[in-house]
Amino acid sequence: EVQLLESGGGLVQPGGSLRLSCAASGFTFSTYAMSWVRQAPGKGLEWVSTITFNSDRTYYADSVKGRFTISRDNSESTLFLEMNSLRAEDTAVYYCAKGVTTIRLGFDSWGQGTLVTVSS
Amino acid sequence: DVVITQSPLSLPVTLGQPASISCRSSQGLVYSDGNTYLNWFQQRPGQSPRRLIYKVSNRDSGVPDRFSGSGSGTDFTLKISRVEAEDVGVYYCMQGTHWPPITFGQGTRLEIK
Repeated sequence: EVQLLESGGGLVQPGGSLRLSCAASGFTFSTYAMSWVRQAPGKGLEWVSTITFNSDRTYYADSVKGRFTISRDNSESTLFLEMNSLRAEDTAVYYCAKGVTTIRLGFDSWGQGTLVTVSS
Repeated sequence: DVVITQSPLSLPVTLGQPASISCRSSQGLVYSDGNTYLNWFQQRPGQSPRRLIYKVSNRDSGVPDRFSGSGSGTDFTLKISRVEAEDVGVYYCMQGTHWPPITFGQGTRLEIK
């Protein structure tokens, strides 16, 4: 059974930093692209970032480009999201999501999410 | 970026009755490989999203056959033949054809009347 367990969320001041982690199990992590998708309170889903299976390419939404960095450790089956220069509008539940054969097919497994709150 | 517009945004339905959600894209969604990467997700209250349908009309494993997807080009539809209580939640369509970025519709909230 695929399991994705996010951690690292919390309360941070505007301009601050946070690092999210997603521990994966139940599948061969090193063979799938992985992504982060966020959901602001009471709002819809917003794709944030994707990393290829071997980390050779990364992709970002314009809203986070230059501030967020996605990475992965295939030896530890863990996905990361380094978030810097955080803004109030980054407040959201951040989901780790597993890709399929191509990211164009969306995500077939999601974590339970970790809440990031940016506020003074 | 491709803009995805869903309608309605709120959908009250009587148990046992059909429901239909529309998803329209600002650009055609046929990719160069001939596939149309339009997917549907369900998010039940308090839960993470889950994919229901991929490439317009293919149901994911475990998805009841009362769910069906159809459409082409820029217009797509998710239909539930007979709504059950467990179908309450928010439904999102998502396009992967013109990625990056991946874009989602605003979501349609289905509730029981």
